[in-house]
Amino acid sequence: QKEVEQDPGPLSVPEGAIVSLNCTYSNSAFQYFMWYRQYSRKGPELLMYTYSSGNKEDGRFTAQVDKSSKYISLFIRDSQPSDSATYLCAMSQGTGNQFYFGTGTSLTVIP
Amino acid sequence: GAVVSQHPSRVICKSGTSVKIECRSLDFQATTMFWYRQFPKQSLMLMATSNEGSKATYEQGVEKDKFLINHASLTLSTLTVTSAHPEDSSFYICSARDRGGNQPQHFGDGTRLSIL
Repeated sequence: QKEVEQDPGPLSVPEGAIVSLNCTYSNSAFQYFMWYRQYSRKGPELLMYTYSSGNKEDGRFTAQVDKSSKYISLFIRDSQPSDSATYLCAMSQGTGNQFYFGTGTSLTVIP
Repeated sequence: GAVVSQHPSRVICKSGTSVKIECRSLDFQATTMFWYRQFPKQSLMLMATSNEGSKATYEQGVEKDKFLINHASLTLSTLTVTSAHPEDSSFYICSARDRGGNQPQHFGDGTRLSIL
């Protein structure tokens, strides 16, 4: 079983839609949860990170962590064509520890 | 935000050539840098963890004599792919963590290596 599971998609939505991206994991010791956005031929860009369970909001982006279910989500409201990218979840026991990445979900927002 | 610069962004060279990739943290000091490899439509695979002033820690299956890592300062780590062959062609990405805070890793823009 992989440490982190993420549906690779691809996911295609119309502009303005709410997007839900998800990851599940198996290691209950994970405490830090990150979402990265990766455009084609570029390195991943940190979008959000959260510690332990709960929600965190930043503009159109909301990250949710449910440690009891070992499930994390990223919601994108009012999606824009510029949001088209691959979204990677990552998690670790600590920010200085090894990161475990999902395979990434490819998102296309259609104008 | 934190910036990590990776150079070069693209390398095309003949089989047998050694290629050096640089990773620099531009606005913070990084005692630890990480080197990843990414195949098309796949996630990042950690190759090694680079620690300033000490030997790198390699992941299982990664040849340390093939992928030489040097972390000579708090802002620079280099990865040298020695005697590269076509199977080494890949997207190599570095990341760095700010030693001064409890922040996640920030990534460079990657180096696309093509060995002919």
